[in-house]
Amino acid sequence: EDQVTQSPEALRLQEGESSSLNCSYTVSGLRGLFWYRQDPGKGPEFLFTLYSAGEEKEKERLKATLTKKESFLHITAPKPEDSATYLCAVRGLIQGAQKLVFGQGTRLTINP
Amino acid sequence: DGGITQSPKYLFRKEGQNVTLSCEQNLNHDAMYWYRQDPGQGLRLIYYSQIVNDFQKGDIAEGYSVSREKKESFPLTVTSAQKNPTAFYLCASTLDRNTEAFFGQGTRLTVV
Repeated sequence: EDQVTQSPEALRLQEGESSSLNCSYTVSGLRGLFWYRQDPGKGPEFLFTLYSAGEEKEKERLKATLTKKESFLHITAPKPEDSATYLCAVRGLIQGAQKLVFGQGTRLTINP
Repeated sequence: DGGITQSPKYLFRKEGQNVTLSCEQNLNHDAMYWYRQDPGQGLRLIYYSQIVNDFQKGDIAEGYSVSREKKESFPLTVTSAQKNPTAFYLCASTLDRNTEAFFGQGTRLTVV
């Protein structure tokens, strides 16, 4: 069974204090690992897709990396507007169909 | 603008009543999904559809039903058989099997 575990559950940082969020996964036949940002009461907003180990993607203060067992979302010099819940998901091949399986998310708070 | 529209944003239902949540997309995406989100938990897959007139159960389909009569529409009915329906419901779509999912803004259902 495909599984995704995110850590920590919650993270509080000071503005400018860099850190990383972890996403550990087990999947039968990875067809993509996805990072999303979700603000309270809103739908998730797509950030990155990673397909193979060693791949990296960047967007402003965010950088996502991928190994065979986990992915990291690195946040460099964060600002208060980066506060949100960050979700990780994997797509695996299950019985001929492809489904997205999500982790429980990391709630990130950036204090000014 | 292309996107996914969920309606209504807030919905209140009395116990014992069925209720239908709307999801419409104008992205010309083939696949559509329904997820449920509870506080502190990841998104859990209810139903998904990869083509018109075909859909499959996800991990928590009991007490829910769907239809896919048009490519653009994937309504979800929460039946009276769903024991704990109060939750945040999210609809998503993907262009194909290998691309990221785009989400609507969600419907918050409360049973009163």
